[in-house]
Amino acid sequence: DAGVIQSPRHEVTEMGQEVTLRCKLISGHNSLFWYRQTMMRGLELLIYFNNNVPIDDSGMPEDRFSAKMPNASFSTLKIQPSEPRDSAVYFCASSFRGFNSPLHFGNGTRLTVT
Amino acid sequence: GIQVEQSPPDLILQEGANSTLRCNFSDSVNNLQWFHQNPWGQLINLFYIPSGTKQNGRLSATTVATERYSLLYISSSQTTDSGVYFCAVGAYGGSQGNLIFGKGTKLSVKP
Repeated sequence: DAGVIQSPRHEVTEMGQEVTLRCKLISGHNSLFWYRQTMMRGLELLIYFNNNVPIDDSGMPEDRFSAKMPNASFSTLKIQPSEPRDSAVYFCASSFRGFNSPLHFGNGTRLTVT
Repeated sequence: GIQVEQSPPDLILQEGANSTLRCNFSDSVNNLQWFHQNPWGQLINLFYIPSGTKQNGRLSATTVATERYSLLYISSSQTTDSGVYFCAVGAYGGSQGNLIFGKGTKLSVKP
């Protein structure tokens, strides 16, 4: 049974470039979460979708960040334009019953913006 | 917002030893989960335990919601248990979908 699949595993880009991170949910899961992990701030929720609908995007840092779920099993997180302070590990997670069920994380994308 | 405190921040054990990790939280919760982040950065869900006790092999967890704490027990520790253990909580009335993560307990198990 495949877990949450994220791509790419590593991304190095220059300031000002567009970055797109991808996530495939576990089959049968209906909730999708994007988290960011940094040494300074730990794990922070960026946005939460339930049944493809964004429920809480209060953690999205600013307008440079956008997230979509074009279908029930796939999501993208886009940063445009990227800045060095966006460097972090970005995790996608899914659950089968929204907020109150176990969260399963992908392996993360390590983003470095130079 | 709800505060989550984990203790100890760092723990070094000899292989075979037992340990207890603690998570205190400042408000009522309707969601509590324990995660293990291994040295390769993978986050693994250990328990979904808003209340009560659960066991999975050498690991067990207990949440006493009325007293606002949860404990993670690791018995007969192995080197593969090394990594950071996170407690994450969701509060009643909190932002929907937002699990608040503690700073973690970094565990090192020596052979």
